[in-house]
Amino acid sequence: EAGVAQSPRYKIIEKRQSVAFWCNPISGHATLYWYQQILGQGPKLLIQFQNNGVVDDSQLPKDRFSAERLKGVDSTLKIQPAKLEDSAVYLCASSDQNEKLFFGSGTQLSVL
Amino acid sequence: LAKTTQPISMDSYEGQEVNITCSHNNIATNDYITWYQQFPSQGPRFIIQGYKTKVTNEVASLFIPADRKSSTLSLPRVSLSDTAVYYCLVGTLSGSGTYKYIFGTGTRLKVLA
Repeated sequence: EAGVAQSPRYKIIEKRQSVAFWCNPISGHATLYWYQQILGQGPKLLIQFQNNGVVDDSQLPKDRFSAERLKGVDSTLKIQPAKLEDSAVYLCASSDQNEKLFFGSGTQLSVL
Repeated sequence: LAKTTQPISMDSYEGQEVNITCSHNNIATNDYITWYQQFPSQGPRFIIQGYKTKVTNEVASLFIPADRKSSTLSLPRVSLSDTAVYYCLVGTLSGSGTYKYIFGTGTRLKVLA
């Protein structure tokens, strides 16, 4: 079974620039999550999708972050404009019918 | 949402059994407990989940007392490769019928030779 795919693996940008991350969940998984993990901390839920609808985006900084999941499969997370404090690993996860989370390897973002 | 509390770090020696306890005092009736393992530069990986009593799989056991306000992850005979961060999560059923998972700070387990 193929895992959750994320790209890019690493990204370095300057503050105020924009950046986008892509996630392809495991085939058939209806629920998709984006987490932000700052060094030394546990992952923080940013947004949760059920198919192509948003279930929870209460922790998403909507003035600069946006996410979409067109057609209920792939998802993109965008930051515009980036701030220094956005430096983190962005993890995508999808879940099966048993609600077990499967994570990708993440995108490590450095904002200079 | 139930908040979880677990030790920040633990040290153990190879071959020993390691028990990591997590408290979740505000757990709701439909919530269940799940544990994840995370190595550096990787996403968290599922270890085990349970609702009550004891659950065992090929890598770990999970003990949940009757009041469900805590749970204990047991790793038998750890090896150096078990050095990782272990997260206790409570899955909460949302209005959409899906589960929401909030991570805490995790327990950094270091296995020594």
